[in-house]
Amino acid sequence: DAGVTQSPTHLIKTRGQQVTLRCSPKSGHDTVSWYQQALGQGPQFIFQYYEEEERQRGNFPDRFSGHQFPNYSSELNVNALLLGDSALYLCASTWGEPSSYNEQFFGPGTRLTVL
Amino acid sequence: QKEVEQNSGPLSVPEGAIASLNCTYSDRGSQSFFWYRQYSGKSPELIMSIYSNGDKEDGRFTAQLNKASQYVSLLIRDSQPSDSATYLCAVSSPEGGSQGNLIFGKGTKLSVKP
Repeated sequence: DAGVTQSPTHLIKTRGQQVTLRCSPKSGHDTVSWYQQALGQGPQFIFQYYEEEERQRGNFPDRFSGHQFPNYSSELNVNALLLGDSALYLCASTWGEPSSYNEQFFGPGTRLTVL
Repeated sequence: QKEVEQNSGPLSVPEGAIASLNCTYSDRGSQSFFWYRQYSGKSPELIMSIYSNGDKEDGRFTAQLNKASQYVSLLIRDSQPSDSATYLCAVSSPEGGSQGNLIFGKGTKLSVKP
């Protein structure tokens, strides 16, 4: 039973560039959420996708966008990278209609460094 | 502004002792509470979920919830060096269309000394 997978593992970009991160949810899961975790902080919610639609969004600028595909996998895109975007980007998946009761399972994350 | 507060630690306990990790939250409408363990350089791993007042036990872990006091805790019995990690408290509330949006504390770093 495959867990949540993310790619790439590490990424180094320069300011102003654009980046795309990818996530495949755990088998049987159809809801994907993205979180940003800065060093020494807890993860912060970016947005959530269900049925190929963005269902919720956290307090992140429009430079952060996403997509969910028919096979439930998801992408996170960040445009015009800033130094402050350097963080661990986590994808979490769960099953069914978004609910506060659903347990979320995290992938290994993508470490993004912006120089 | 919904907040989740945890002592950052580090919390140091000897091997075999009980480790007690605490968390408070600001949103009285919160319904679901989760504890995640995060080893250095790794992603969070779900340990426990709790939804009702009282205790929930799973092996060496016990989660305790008191909604009136807006307080949730995690007890780790017979602590092992392998339990050394950062423990993240996460809260989810159905209010305001925020279903499934986890709000995390900054985490408590636990160190178990052999």
